[in-house]
Amino acid sequence: DADVTQTPRNRITKTGKRIMLECSQTKGHDRMYWYRQDPGLGLRLIYYSFDVKDINKGEISDGYSVSRQAQAKFSLSLESAIPNQTALYFCATSETGSAEKLFFGSGTQLSVL
Amino acid sequence: GESVGLHLPTLSVQEGDNSIINCAYSNSASDYFIWYKQESGKGPQFIIDIRSNMDKRQGQRVTVLLNKTVKHLSLQIAATQPGDSAVYFCAERNSGGYQKVTFGTGTKLQVIP
Repeated sequence: DADVTQTPRNRITKTGKRIMLECSQTKGHDRMYWYRQDPGLGLRLIYYSFDVKDINKGEISDGYSVSRQAQAKFSLSLESAIPNQTALYFCATSETGSAEKLFFGSGTQLSVL
Repeated sequence: GESVGLHLPTLSVQEGDNSIINCAYSNSASDYFIWYKQESGKGPQFIIDIRSNMDKRQGQRVTVLLNKTVKHLSLQIAATQPGDSAVYFCAERNSGGYQKVTFGTGTKLQVIP
């Protein structure tokens, strides 16, 4: 079983729809992250959470929101999806004190038409 | 501001040869430099990291070199194998605050059998 599980793996939606991407982990890590990957741009941080009560914006948080429902669950929402949010989204975790060592899920490919 | 970049977008190497992937960084406040490997259809996977007070670190078939004078990072892979074919990302961890990790744009390594 994967340590960091993302659902769904693929999603096609229309402009204006609300979308939620989910992430769960069995690693027992406190820290969880959402990254977005676009061709030629690497991975960019959307939001990160150091525990259930600590949520922080990353470099590209506009148009996104998150919820840390439990230590093991961190979901990403697009309230009103737009085409330029078409991308590959990754959830990641890390141990406190080892933020450089991220453990990634397999990703969710989102297409907004 | 922070930036992590790569010199070459694609690198083709003969199987059995050594590979060298290069990366330039600009944030002198980073305390860790990291290499990740991303295989097709998967999330990035941690390979090796190096603290900013070191200039070399070796792992299994991989060596990371850090030159702080010219702000240059490299990943050397010995005896490159077909399974090494992937996109490699350099990244840096900010020493302050939330220790955010910033990724470069990636280099694709193609191993020629």
